[in-house]
Amino acid sequence: GQQVMQIPQYQHVQEGEDFTTYCNSSTTLSNIQWYKQRPGGHPVFLIQLVKSGEVKKQKRLTFQFGEAKKNSSLHITATQTTDVGTYFCAGPPAWPLGGGADGLTFGKGTHLIIQP
Amino acid sequence: NAGVTQTPKFRVLKTGQSMTLLCAQDMNHEYMYWYRQDPGMGLRLIHYSVGEGTTAKGEVPDGYNVSRLKKQNFLLGLESAAPSQTSVYFCASSYRGNRMNTEAFFGQGTRLTVV
Repeated sequence: GQQVMQIPQYQHVQEGEDFTTYCNSSTTLSNIQWYKQRPGGHPVFLIQLVKSGEVKKQKRLTFQFGEAKKNSSLHITATQTTDVGTYFCAGPPAWPLGGGADGLTFGKGTHLIIQP
Repeated sequence: NAGVTQTPKFRVLKTGQSMTLLCAQDMNHEYMYWYRQDPGMGLRLIHYSVGEGTTAKGEVPDGYNVSRLKKQNFLLGLESAAPSQTSVYFCASSYRGNRMNTEAFFGQGTRLTVV
């Protein structure tokens, strides 16, 4: 099954409100990546977090990696209509792969819907 | 700058038919991947390749075969399509493997419907 669980599945916000999505894992992650997918589009890489407690910012987006490296979050301040899409977290291969396997295990994503 | 190109973009198959999805990348990446995306399921890894001539199974490999005869191309085959394979298929590539902390670049996707 999925190594990373992502919540919420859907989030409706008014334009200008903040938005947060969370990823949780039962096991320690060596790293976590975040991707954005616009409606009808393909996933696009946003950022990668590697260090325990790491915080990275990209303009209005703030990414955090938990101290135990089991959880991560993406926070968007003052959402804009251009933020619409699905945000995915992704970690290293999950069971029964693992070991030397490659690829990413994706969370199910959070769909951000913005009402003007 | 084409990046990762998938063909075809859309396809409708009848149950039992076969087809091949083509993925081509022009970034000289060693690693290539095939994912499928279903509503509410996120993306799931089907097969991947760590270099020319090598392939490996991902999370959901059953019913699919792959080949990587050239570094720039990664083919995904369905020998006998089933309705359960109706999905959006994404190809991706990366310079080094995801375990070595490199981002993946995705193609535009192929929307496949099996009737």
